[in-house]
Formats: sequence, structure tokens, C-alpha cells
Amino acid sequence: DTAVSQTPKYLVTQMGNDKSIKCEQNLGHDTMYWYKQDSKKFLKIMFSYNNKELIINETVPNRFSPKSPDKAHLNLHINSLELGDSAVYFCASSRRASDYNEQFFGPGTRLTVL
Amino acid sequence: RKEVEQDPGPFNVPEGATVAFNCTYSNSASQSFFWYRQDCRKEPKLLMSVYSSGNEDGRFTAQLNRASQYISLLIRDSKLSDSATYLCVVNPPPGGSQGNLIFGKGTKLSVKP
Repeated sequence: DTAVSQTPKYLVTQMGNDKSIKCEQNLGHDTMYWYKQDSKKFLKIMFSYNNKELIINETVPNRFSPKSPDKAHLNLHINSLELGDSAVYFCASSRRASDYNEQFFGPGTRLTVL
Repeated sequence: RKEVEQDPGPFNVPEGATVAFNCTYSNSASQSFFWYRQDCRKEPKLLMSVYSSGNEDGRFTAQLNRASQYISLLIRDSKLSDSATYLCVVNPPPGGSQGNLIFGKGTKLSVKP
């Protein structure tokens, strides 16, 4: 049983294209997150959603837009892709956004922009 | 000072060795602390939470020193399967972005036969 799933696992695309990454969790969690892990392996939060409302919006370019059709899904849409967007993007979820709730991560989407 | 700082390693140790990782954090009002483990080309997974009184889970012991803003992870009797990157993770204080975990860059451990 997959707890947090992401598609696609690999994404290779040209600069300037628009792409989406999908994320689904079947844990019944209230909060979902998107992280970016760059080539230096530094993992940094991009967004989180709690009950379909954005509660964290880090200073990421507005080319990145999270979309949550329901509590179980948080998709990431990226417009006008740039070389620097190449990274691994992880989706995660937690029961709620509070101190000690464990975050469960998806397997990651490896994005390569050519 | 970086928000969460770790020695990147790598730590190369033989099986059976004891190894310790250290981590420092900059915000003294941070509320909760964790160690996550990330295998090569895999997602991070929670290893253990870190409590003020210190906590142990089998071969793993985590310690927190709030006065020094310092977190540690001790692994005893290292196994080959312990080879991974260990991420020190801090949750900011209330009033900020709850759930907005701040990850260190990780310490790479390689256990050799």
C-alpha cells in the first residue's frame, strides 16, 4: 500500500515548457507539503496545504503554483521551466501541521530541465 | 549562522563501530527536533524524534542540549544497513510556520564490512 505517491518519477523537459507533478496520499492526513532537493542535497520546503488552504508559502518563484483539488492531493505546476529548476521534488504529508507530527514523504520526482 | 548545521561527513566506519553525529541550530526558541534518514536516491524517513530528556530506540540514542542548541545521534554496533545520510531536522517556534521543518544538509554514513 503506497502512503504518499508521486507521478511521474522522472521528468525530462526543455527550458520554457510547463509541467505538472502529481501527488496523492491515502493516509487521511490534513496537511501536505512540497519540498525541493537540489544537487547539493539540500532539502527545502516550498509549500504546504492544510485542508485545501495554503498555510506556508516560501519565497519561491511564482512560476511554481500548488493546486489541491481535495485533501488527498497536492499537485505542483511549474511554468516556463528554467535550468535551475532541475532538482528532485518531494511531496510529503502529515496528520496536521504541528510540532511532533511525522512527515511522510513520497518517492520523489527527478526533474531535469535541458 | 546557518539555521541547521551538520558535519557533512562522510563518516566511513567498520561494522560494529559506534558513531556519533552532531547538529547545531540557530533559533533558540525552536520547539521540536528530529533525525530523518535518507537512503541514496530515496525519500527521507523519520528515524526518531528528539526529546529534552534524551531518548533511545534500540541501537540509536538521540540527545538534545537546549542551552548549547545542539542535537546528537549515537549509533552503536553499526550495521551495513545503517549506511545512509542522516538529516537533522528542526521545527521552528510557534507563531512561525508550524510544520515548516528545517532540514540540515545531512551527514553521510558509510558502514564497511
